[in-house]
Amino acid sequence: DVKVTQSSRYLVKRTGEKVFLECVQDMDHENMFWYRQDPGLGLRLIYFSYDVKMKEKGDIPEGYSVSREKKERFSLILESASTNQTSMYLCASSSHGTGGEKLFFGSGTQLSVL
Amino acid sequence: SQQGEEDPQALSIQEGENATMNCSYKTSINNLQWYRQNSGRGLVHLILIRSNEREKHSGRLRVTLDTSKKSSSLLITASRAADTASYFCATDIGGYQKVTFGTGTKLQVIP
Repeated sequence: DVKVTQSSRYLVKRTGEKVFLECVQDMDHENMFWYRQDPGLGLRLIYFSYDVKMKEKGDIPEGYSVSREKKERFSLILESASTNQTSMYLCASSSHGTGGEKLFFGSGTQLSVL
Repeated sequence: SQQGEEDPQALSIQEGENATMNCSYKTSINNLQWYRQNSGRGLVHLILIRSNEREKHSGRLRVTLDTSKKSSSLLITASRAADTASYFCATDIGGYQKVTFGTGTKLQVIP
């Protein structure tokens, strides 16, 4: 079975902490994505990566950074967590192509910032 | 702002009825996909329709695309309690890997 694994299902952090969310895929996919999901707002794209060490901003990159040192791993970093970053974070991956490639999702990390 | 918006936000129907949800998007696209999310979990791909297609079927799913109106609809026929989930449309501007999602429709199918 193909898999996208997110390191934590639930995470509780304090305001101002540096937070790392890890995502690993075993499908040799070129593309990886980080979304956050909030009630009534759907999924919003934070960052995506189309190759190792490459990254592109999504629609809401402020307050976040990412790292992709290896093809299978894509990390989301909250440099200084704030309460408005409390959310469900979803990682996804897809193969590289001409468009319309299926995204495979992890189960999500519910982050609470207190 | 969101590329896609689903309508209605929530839908409640009886088992056996058909469910229709709509997605409107803002900019021209090359592809549109529909995904399903069971409560609190990751999303699962349902169906893809390309901009040069008008209609696609997969089992009990029927998707239409109207590029002139920048809209798509997902029809689930003969709904089952197991179809209870949230449904999202997702678009990309082909060749460029950015995929953006809509706000979702929460479907409840009552047994």
